[in-house]
Amino acid sequence: DAKTTQPNSMESNEEEPVHLPCNHSTISGTDYIHWYRQLPSQGPEYVIHGLTSNVNNRMASLAIAEDRKSSTLILHRATLRDAAVYYCILRRGTSYGKLTFGQGTILTVHP
Amino acid sequence: KAGVTQTPRYLIKTRGQQVTLSCSPISGHRSVSWYQQTPGQGLQFLFEYFSETQRNKGNFPGRFSGRQFSNSRSEMNVSTLELGDSALYLCASSEISREEKLFFGSGTQLSVL
Repeated sequence: DAKTTQPNSMESNEEEPVHLPCNHSTISGTDYIHWYRQLPSQGPEYVIHGLTSNVNNRMASLAIAEDRKSSTLILHRATLRDAAVYYCILRRGTSYGKLTFGQGTILTVHP
Repeated sequence: KAGVTQTPRYLIKTRGQQVTLSCSPISGHRSVSWYQQTPGQGLQFLFEYFSETQRNKGNFPGRFSGRQFSNSRSEMNVSTLELGDSALYLCASSEISREEKLFFGSGTQLSVL
């Protein structure tokens, strides 16, 4: 699986936007970019995914660089409930349930 | 729809024992995956089942096994427990689709003494 690189930690203030970066310079043309997050004492939660175009859903937006070597997860207005570990994952084709999680980014949200 | 349900939530065992963990997927989801999470190794894929067949397997010893029933419910078993098997065991289910989004349960916290 292609590797992703994320900052170990980031901090934000409540109600401010948060931009979580992810580098994936060895991404292949068929790799989907997935983001999951894990809140304390819970299993990971799907956030968003994309292939080439920017994507929006009720939770977040995903901005994908034109060369696809990096992407950014955008939380438009952080809340205290968004404090979690955020994982950027590349999925190639059908993964048959296997996602390769890295260390992720620990997001701290200050009131 | 109800989410992924894992039982029990907590479990304490001693070395050498065996343990069985249970997972009920979201209704309609036929793929079930299992993951192990430890502070040192993070989240690691164990195996995946679809239609009662194991389709994918991670790099874990044979002491870790699983099965899936005709109603898509799944169990995983760890035999001859070791101290290093102490971990949070997570189950995830998904529909069979190109999107392949995984929905995780809250996990079973296993402590081996």
